[in-house]
Amino acid sequence: NAGVMQNPRHLVRRRGQEARLRCSPMKGHSHVYWYRQLPEEGLKFMVYLQKENIIDESGMPKERFSAEFPKEGPSILRIQQVVRGDSAAYFCASSPLGGSDYEQYFGPGTRLTVT
Amino acid sequence: QKEVEQDPGPLSVPEGAIVSLNCTYSNSAFQYFMWYRQYSRKGPELLMYTYSSGNKEDGRFTAQVDKSSKYISLFIRDSQPSDSATYLCAIPSGGYNKLIFGAGTRLAVHP
Repeated sequence: NAGVMQNPRHLVRRRGQEARLRCSPMKGHSHVYWYRQLPEEGLKFMVYLQKENIIDESGMPKERFSAEFPKEGPSILRIQQVVRGDSAAYFCASSPLGGSDYEQYFGPGTRLTVT
Repeated sequence: QKEVEQDPGPLSVPEGAIVSLNCTYSNSAFQYFMWYRQYSRKGPELLMYTYSSGNKEDGRFTAQVDKSSKYISLFIRDSQPSDSATYLCAIPSGGYNKLIFGAGTRLAVHP
């Protein structure tokens, strides 16, 4: 049973470009969460999605960041016009439908570097 | 005051030692308490979690919650070099879907 998959694992973008991060949840999981880990800081919640719905985006920056989880395909975290402060590790987690939302399983992360 | 506080360490112990990792939290309404392990450049791995007060044991790992003092602990017995990692406590909030993480304690177990 494959775990949570994220790609790319490493992404380099110049300031002003767009970054797209992808997450495929574990088989049988329908809830997806995105977290950000800034250098020397802890993990911070960004957004919680179910298929075609954003449930909680209280941790998302108000501008430039968006997330989706379409009916088909992976969840996408999109960062427009990236700045150096966006450099971080972005982790996706998933939990099963009908299960415990707190029991979240994480992917390997995407490390974004903005030059 | 942060909702979850954790000493970042680093903590260095010899192989075979008993390790104690701790977090404090501020909201007495919290009910679930999670421990994750994160190896360098990897994603967090769920180790174990407890509900409310008490102890939970899984092999060499024991999680303990003291709700009266808002204090949670993870004990590792007979520590091994392979236990060298960052250990993160996490508490579900906001309807349980949002995990609030401590800063993580970096542990090094040397042979």
